[in-house]
Amino acid sequence: GDSVTQTEGPVTVSESESLIINCTYSATSIAYPNLFWYVRYPGEGLQLLLKVITAGQKGSSRGFEATYNKETTSFHLQKASVQESDSAVYYCALGDGDYAQGLTFGLGTRVSVFP
Amino acid sequence: GALVYQYPRRTICKSGTSMRMECQAVGFQATSVAWYRQSPQKTFELIALSTVNSAIKYEQNFTQEKFPISHPNLSFSSMTVLNAYLEDRGLYLCGARAGQYEQYFGPGTRLTVL
Repeated sequence: GDSVTQTEGPVTVSESESLIINCTYSATSIAYPNLFWYVRYPGEGLQLLLKVITAGQKGSSRGFEATYNKETTSFHLQKASVQESDSAVYYCALGDGDYAQGLTFGLGTRVSVFP
Repeated sequence: GALVYQYPRRTICKSGTSMRMECQAVGFQATSVAWYRQSPQKTFELIALSTVNSAIKYEQNFTQEKFPISHPNLSFSSMTVLNAYLEDRGLYLCGARAGQYEQYFGPGTRLTVL
């Protein structure tokens, strides 16, 4: 089946430092996977951070970016300079363009940013 | 804007009893609604998914007999955890899809089983 593997947390980083969360996927049942990063801030629900539906493209949002690399089956999330407000749990997810299908999530990576 | 509400946010039930949780999509037309569960130390697993004009589809490890779902329309969905036991504890997330890609999630219902 489909699966997503991401950096095991928790990850601790100081404010203004860079952050990278690795994500690799295996899509055995989806011909053209769509890739997503979701974020869950403390006390809140899952929010879509960014999505990329075409291989080779880059998505970006709130200073975060991720490139859909079909060759390495990766979708790493990066931010050049994090802020304390970026402390959250980040989930990499895999889906397809069929609204009748659910998403496959990674385990999540808890990120704590300290001032 | 598009929002998904879930109720209750937290609930506790005794082992062997049942509890019902609700999900409401507001501000957009949902094309599908999915229920997920995040058990301790695990990721979100898809329980079942409903779409317009089709039967509710349950994933391999979940059954209608254990997790019956009802929805008069895709804007409102409820799921019951019947005969809950320790392995059913976790965070139950409702996600409503708008269009082809966007999926909005509620804050979840956290179930504790005593």
